[in-house]
Amino acid sequence: EVQLEESGGGLVQPGGSLRLSCVTSGFRFGDYWMSWVRQAPGKGLEWVANIKKDESEKYYVDSVKGRFTISRDNAKNSLYLQMNSLRVEDAAVYYCARGRESFGTYFDYWGQGTLVTVSS
Amino acid sequence: QSALTQPPSASGSPGQSVTISCTGTSTDVGGYNYVSWYQQHPGKAPKLMIYGVNKRPSGVPDRFSGSKSGNTASLTVSGLQAEDEADYYCSSYAGSNNLVFGGGTKLTVL
Repeated sequence: EVQLEESGGGLVQPGGSLRLSCVTSGFRFGDYWMSWVRQAPGKGLEWVANIKKDESEKYYVDSVKGRFTISRDNAKNSLYLQMNSLRVEDAAVYYCARGRESFGTYFDYWGQGTLVTVSS
Repeated sequence: QSALTQPPSASGSPGQSVTISCTGTSTDVGGYNYVSWYQQHPGKAPKLMIYGVNKRPSGVPDRFSGSKSGNTASLTVSGLQAEDEADYYCSSYAGSNNLVFGGGTKLTVL
């Protein structure tokens, strides 16, 4: 059974940092693109970042470029999101998702999400 | 990276069909056959319902179908059931290594 479990969310002040983790099981992690998708409270979904199977390519939505870093550890079947210089508008539930096809153009499995709150 | 346009709400009675639209541009929906649809129940993670415009993952009922014409993609739910009541989001590859979602449509089963 494919499983993805996020952790690391919490309350942080504007300008602060957080590191999200996503531990996976039930599939060959190193064979897939992986992504982070977020959802602000009461709002829609927003793609945040993608990372290729071998970490050779990483892509970000414009609003997080230079502040967020996606990474992975294939030996640990884990995905990460380092979030720096956090802003109030970054507050959201962050989902880890398995990408399919080139670039990971769609997501066939999702975690349950971890909540990030940015407030002073 | 503008969001795709979806109607905020849609509704239908049990057994009826309802279609949800997703309008983009020639640089996203119209330019690629990489449209996908997700169902999200309150407090739950999204679930993939359609990918590649009109393909259904294993386990998704054939009551769900997808299509595309020009810059607009559509999700049709036939034979509406109570459990279909949820939020639905479209997504498309938008070129230049970007993905974009629609704003979401709340489907109500009357």
